[in-house]
Amino acid sequence: DTEVTQTPKHLVMGMTNKKSLKCEQHMGHRAMYWYKQKAKKPPELMFVYSYEKLSINESVPSRFSPECPNSSLLNLHLHALQPEDSALYLCASSQESVGNTIYFGEGSWLTVV
Amino acid sequence: GIQVEQSPPDLILQEGANSTLRCNFSDSVNNLQWFHQNPWGQLINLFYIPSGTKQNGRLSATTVATERYSLLYISSSQTTDSGVYFCAVRTGANNLFFGTGTRLTVIP
Repeated sequence: DTEVTQTPKHLVMGMTNKKSLKCEQHMGHRAMYWYKQKAKKPPELMFVYSYEKLSINESVPSRFSPECPNSSLLNLHLHALQPEDSALYLCASSQESVGNTIYFGEGSWLTVV
Repeated sequence: GIQVEQSPPDLILQEGANSTLRCNFSDSVNNLQWFHQNPWGQLINLFYIPSGTKQNGRLSATTVATERYSLLYISSSQTTDSGVYFCAVRTGANNLFFGTGTRLTVIP
């Protein structure tokens, strides 16, 4: 089962709201990722967790706060976002080594109003 | 950082035609994947291909790591092949950087 599940699929939030995106995998992967994709652009890496510890933060603003509660779950907490943060947010996972495929979820479409 | 360029940026094909998509990368990589992103945004794994050649049905891919490029071949294209094709490379254990993408439209 090569599945990464993301919820919600669509989210509309105001600039003062606090919301969270959730990601789950049951493949025993120990690396999990958040990507952001704007329209007509490639996905851009935001964060990487390795063995539940944050290993890469690609200079993402603090209004995005990742959390890895356990090896199967990855959250992205959102607070005080701007309209330009509207995008597709993609979660992915992989085995924690070089020669392995990275698998993506279906994404969460976020609109900030 | 590493640069990953894909060509062509846009491609329109008649159904049944064949095509070749190219991915050039600027530095050594230890992993390369090809994805198809459907209109709903999902990234579908096509190939994990750090080197060599693989085939899966109408699709095949070749990576020449020493020359820093990879090719994706689509034969007998179908309308369902439409979407954006990305190559993505890894330079370390836990990163994956995407190319600029090729937007394919297959018309009946």
